[in-house]
Amino acid sequence: NAGVTQTPKFQVLKTGQSMTLQCAQDMNHEYMSWYRQDPGMGLRLIHYSVGAGITDQGEVPNGYNVSRSTTEDFPLRLLSAAPSQTSVYFCASGGVGEKLFFGSGTQLSVL
Amino acid sequence: EDKVVQSPLSLVVHEGDTVTLNCSYEVTNFRSLLWYKQEKKAPTFLFMLTSSGIEKKSGRLSSILDKKELFSILNITATQTGDSAIYLCVHNSGTYKYIFGTGTRLKVLA
Repeated sequence: NAGVTQTPKFQVLKTGQSMTLQCAQDMNHEYMSWYRQDPGMGLRLIHYSVGAGITDQGEVPNGYNVSRSTTEDFPLRLLSAAPSQTSVYFCASGGVGEKLFFGSGTQLSVL
Repeated sequence: EDKVVQSPLSLVVHEGDTVTLNCSYEVTNFRSLLWYKQEKKAPTFLFMLTSSGIEKKSGRLSSILDKKELFSILNITATQTGDSAIYLCVHNSGTYKYIFGTGTRLKVLA
């Protein structure tokens, strides 16, 4: 009963490097999303998807790319990391109008 | 613009105290309000409140929804140190749109 699996748990990058955060869910949820959490700002939506092949921007999409080739997977790509992207990232999935299930989070530091 | 506002931002209590966390919302299409508890890692689900389910209870935690006054409260009685966490209030419009409050950080001292 895996739920939402998110990797890695920790990552340190240098400015300008790229990386991909992985997210997979085994609940057949149509909706998947990526959030970042910064102190005092709550959870902010980066990108989301409502099905394979369908993605859209959230509140803070700049500097991030996503794709959804399968129902299960929704990776988040940082194209050229910047110190402003230092944050905790969460992947979440859910059904329409249902509760969200969250991954365990990725703590990212960009030096 | 839809918004969810939580208060207080932070709270420090002693074990055994009762706490009330507040969540007010201004949304164009209310469907449900969700409460989550976030300790060191991912938020975990506590309650979902809808028009047909305005009161929920689980052990020492309970929550009510007031659709007329547009707010919800989360009540924790006989607090324990394990209740220390950030509590998140989230509105869902019935589609894929989730609006998060900034959370209330609760610290329970032994």
